Amino acid sequence: ETGVTQTPRHLVMGMTNKKSLKCEQHLGHNAMYWYKQSAKKPLELMFVYSLEERVENNSVPSRFSPECPNSSHLFLHLHTLQPEDSALYLCASSQDFSVAKNIQYFGAGTRLSVL
Amino acid sequence: AQKITQTQPGMFVQEKEAVTLDCTYDTSDQSYGLFWYKQPSSGEMIFLIYQGSYDEQNATEGRYSLNFQKARKSANLVISASQLGDSAMYFCAMRAPTSGTYKYIFGTGTRLKVLA
Repeated sequence: ETGVTQTPRHLVMGMTNKKSLKCEQHLGHNAMYWYKQSAKKPLELMFVYSLEERVENNSVPSRFSPECPNSSHLFLHLHTLQPEDSALYLCASSQDFSVAKNIQYFGAGTRLSVL
Repeated sequence: AQKITQTQPGMFVQEKEAVTLDCTYDTSDQSYGLFWYKQPSSGEMIFLIYQGSYDEQNATEGRYSLNFQKARKSANLVISASQLGDSAMYFCAMRAPTSGTYKYIFGTGTRLKVLA
């Protein structure tokens, strides 16, 4: 148990559905991240929030919409996804960015299948 | 270009033996951090060990040690006395200023299988 909880663990959705992924961290961290993990590809950073402000958006399609209502919660809203969006979506948190040893703590991920 | 290379897609090791997972990195930054994570089949990425570029000694955390060779730009993970529970994917990652304040560069991972 790393202190980062993601729900749901598995999600199957059609291309016209709207769903949301939730991430909650109990570590008192200031930064939260969304990553996409596809088979045989390195982790892709999608979004970064620092103190509830989005500080990084890595050219992610608009069908992915993040929301960070407070420093403990992070959402990823999904709509009109494509089959290639099927992947493991990982949430992470870290204390801050000011030091090189900025360890990220990950949740167990949401495995998303888009039909 | 900032890059992490893990050349071993898969490795096998006998239980109780030691194993080395390779990682090479490329950066022009002088200050950077190197990380190793373990990802079991459950999906969660678990932090194992950290090495700073200015750390003079190799990092160790229990059965994990990092063989840091700065001149060769390698940061190999050594797992001693392998256990069945060590079977997982292992990712090497780097954080360096040129990549951006928030970005970690991850390798493609090595799948380790520990044999009984």
